[in-house]
Amino acid sequence: GAGVSQTPSNKVTEKGKYVELRCDPISGHTALYWYRQSLGQGPEFLIYFQGTGAADDSGLPNDRFFAVRPEGSVSTLKIQRTERGDSAVYLCASSSSGELFFGEGSRLTVL
Amino acid sequence: GQQLNQSPQSMFIQEGEDVSMNCTSSSIFNTWLWYKQDPGEGPVLLIALYKAGELTSNGRLTAQFGITRKDSFLNISASIPSDVGIYFCAGEGGSEKLVFGKGTKLTVNP
Repeated sequence: GAGVSQTPSNKVTEKGKYVELRCDPISGHTALYWYRQSLGQGPEFLIYFQGTGAADDSGLPNDRFFAVRPEGSVSTLKIQRTERGDSAVYLCASSSSGELFFGEGSRLTVL
Repeated sequence: GQQLNQSPQSMFIQEGEDVSMNCTSSSIFNTWLWYKQDPGEGPVLLIALYKAGELTSNGRLTAQFGITRKDSFLNISASIPSDVGIYFCAGEGGSEKLVFGKGTKLTVNP
């Protein structure tokens, strides 16, 4: 499709496990963003890539969270030693000229 | 950090009524944006405002960038059932990252 694609759409895991969430941005978009949305809240910024490099990772809550974008296209958000408080919808967005286009999100549930 | 106060939290209206929601900030933003989010979907941009005092319309939607750069409102006229959803304001202060409000959940009774 032509939009931002995120996989998996749903992930249920146990506390302490490792999780990877994938984002496939709109083709040609150089900027890619990860946001986290908890129930009843607005999205909260995690990290922003311009090309392959993380231009701003100030929103990552702690060192259990890490994201990569090795070829400047697909990005993976990695969460180590998951905790119940990590449960949320993780939204990816891409942009070429300012307007952000969001994917449908990956819903993570940590039991 | 920057925070946005969005109100009301929820609204229940009859089809055909007008709706108004607003956002205030403790700090100045360069850009104000309004998004709509349907269940299971990501937010979709409705209106973007780039200049203090700017009033912009998009169909039945009208939004304004407050003159102090610390507030914005969104009006929806003649609501219809498909307006149902959660509306978010967002501000951008020059750092490429958006700060979102907590959302206004709109319910439209036919």
